[in-house]
Amino acid sequence: AQSVTQLDSQVPVFEEAPVELRCNYSSSVSVYLFWYVQYPNQGLQLLLKYLSGSTLVKGINGFEAEFNKSQTSFHLRKPSVHISDTAEYFCAVSDSGTYKYIFGTGTRLKVLA
Amino acid sequence: DTGVSQDPRHKITKRGQNVTFRCDPISEHNRLYWYRQTLGQGPEFLTYFQNEAQLEKSRLLSDRFSAERPKGSFSTLEIQRTEQGDSAMYLCASSSVQGINYGYTFGSGTRLTVV
Repeated sequence: AQSVTQLDSQVPVFEEAPVELRCNYSSSVSVYLFWYVQYPNQGLQLLLKYLSGSTLVKGINGFEAEFNKSQTSFHLRKPSVHISDTAEYFCAVSDSGTYKYIFGTGTRLKVLA
Repeated sequence: DTGVSQDPRHKITKRGQNVTFRCDPISEHNRLYWYRQTLGQGPEFLTYFQNEAQLEKSRLLSDRFSAERPKGSFSTLEIQRTEQGDSAMYLCASSSVQGINYGYTFGSGTRLTVV
């Protein structure tokens, strides 16, 4: 069965600094990968997705992620964070053609002034 | 398109009581999903509907849980004889069949507290 690992439960970073949130998934023949953001007391909002093609995908709010098949990773990056990026970030995976997502346990990004 | 709506946003109930949550998906989406999110965890799949048919239920969904989607529109999730372990955020999401690869649209969730 698919699984997703987000090793960092919390990442503090100063405003305007770069950040990387790590995500690793269990190997599969073909997967779709997603990053979602959750602000306090809200649902999840899609940041970006990888389905196929270019391994570098760009999303909303200046975020990007790189799919690395050999390392089974899909790390999320932003070159310069803002206070408003403080939120919980979830990596998710689905086997291609299925409807069910497997989510990681989340990484809480805290941007410090 | 007003997105996915969930009602209520918060529910506090005494152990042993029944509760019902409602989800209104995006109107043109024929797939609807329920997930449960406990503190410090990512969302976990509970069940999913395509139109009015419930096509899969997770083993997390005990006999005390039931979900319906009459007429393939809104959906309800009922928990009977609530237990403290049911305390969680219950998330509803929807997608089209074609759009599943493009991600779900989530509602804001219903936070259940069982006291």
